[in-house]
Amino acid sequence: DQQVKQNSPSLSVQEGRISILNCDYTNSMFDYFLWYKKYPAEGPTFLISISSIKDKNEDGRFTVFLNKSAKHLSLHIVPSQPGDSAVYFCAARNAGNNRKLIWGLGTSLAVNP
Amino acid sequence: GAGVSQTPSNKVTEKGKYVELRCDPISGHTALYWYRQSLGQGPEFLIYFQGTGAADDSGLPNDRFFAVRPEGSVSTLKIQRTERGDSAVYLCASSSTGISPLHFGNGTRLTVT
Repeated sequence: DQQVKQNSPSLSVQEGRISILNCDYTNSMFDYFLWYKKYPAEGPTFLISISSIKDKNEDGRFTVFLNKSAKHLSLHIVPSQPGDSAVYFCAARNAGNNRKLIWGLGTSLAVNP
Repeated sequence: GAGVSQTPSNKVTEKGKYVELRCDPISGHTALYWYRQSLGQGPEFLIYFQGTGAADDSGLPNDRFFAVRPEGSVSTLKIQRTERGDSAVYLCASSSTGISPLHFGNGTRLTVT
């Protein structure tokens, strides 16, 4: 059973437009959420995170929104750039075991020039 | 370099053989994690070290898998009697504390033939 779900395996957007990547979760014990970006043949790179006590966190072109009642979070990238093309993973941490991250399957983002 | 270093980057071995995968974390990082990523999946937690001790090894799939971190820095993941199903990218990550964002290495791609 997938506790963290990224239902879109891929997304394609034009350069300069907004990219929205979605993530749903099932475990109400998750208290911290992270987004990682991964290029081919490299390890995941931390992008941005949000605590469950907040509903928004912004860092430059990246904003993460959390809707706890819907158990849904999204990552907005605006404006999108070709260098943003990568696989984006949503990950969640359980308040009862905050050492272990539970990961989604990833969404492959392609930003077209 | 200042990042997490994993060696080898690629390892091909025959079914039944023993392999060791090495991880050099970022200097000063006390927390070290091993994850495994199969094709089309997100990373899957294997084991977490805080200092020299394995604080959580609940993700190790069976007793063929073992990991050590004898001096609280470099870690080695050991797999005995490898099986074709062990083929995956093995990712190591470190963090300055157990709950801060993880910094990943580029992984070791293990192929068991």
